[in-house]
Amino acid sequence: GAVVSQHPSWVICKSGTSVKIECRSLDFQATTMFWYRQFPKQSLMLMATSNEGSKATYEQGVEKDKFLINHASLTLSTLTVTSAHPEDSSFYICSAVGQAYEQYFGPGTRLTVT
Amino acid sequence: GQQLNQSPQSMFIQEGEDVSMNCTSSSIFNTWLWYKQDPGEGPVLLIALYKAGELTSNGRLTAQFGITRKDSFLNISASIPSDVGIYFCAGYGSSNTGKLIFGQGTTLQVKP
Repeated sequence: GAVVSQHPSWVICKSGTSVKIECRSLDFQATTMFWYRQFPKQSLMLMATSNEGSKATYEQGVEKDKFLINHASLTLSTLTVTSAHPEDSSFYICSAVGQAYEQYFGPGTRLTVT
Repeated sequence: GQQLNQSPQSMFIQEGEDVSMNCTSSSIFNTWLWYKQDPGEGPVLLIALYKAGELTSNGRLTAQFGITRKDSFLNISASIPSDVGIYFCAGYGSSNTGKLIFGQGTTLQVKP
């Protein structure tokens, strides 16, 4: 149980285009999901909190208009990187919160912007 | 804000050896979670701890929630090559923001 999937697992896009990443909790419902960004050899950096049916809460320094988050159902949250630039290239990871408040992470999405 | 100090930063051990890593904080934590991350993958939950003094095992892994609620350790017994990876401690602080606070990670390398 407690499986979280992400799609796509990797994506390459051209500068200026937008990319959508999906995060799904496969066998449980998650009112809250989180989106993280991870740089090489570093810990996870929280970008935003995604709550089902309400607006996402963004961490300081994260542009909400650039990283659009939608949590339309209890099993799906999406992160759209709009007008992507090379500096947005990174490893993006989502997590879904279980019943005991433990967080289960997706396998991550490697974004490369050329 | 609350922070977690994880040590050691890296370890290089021989297969079969036991491993110990820990996380400390200057403030109280309500929950401790230990994760393992393989390269190019998301973190996988190993052990969750919810009460001070709690000692929990998962196979060769054992973790404890410190009595003071300011620390936790993870032990791996009889290490094997597939134990290689980055181990993160994480926790929910007393501020109850609902956001996990992460340690810096411990990179484990196991020599066959």
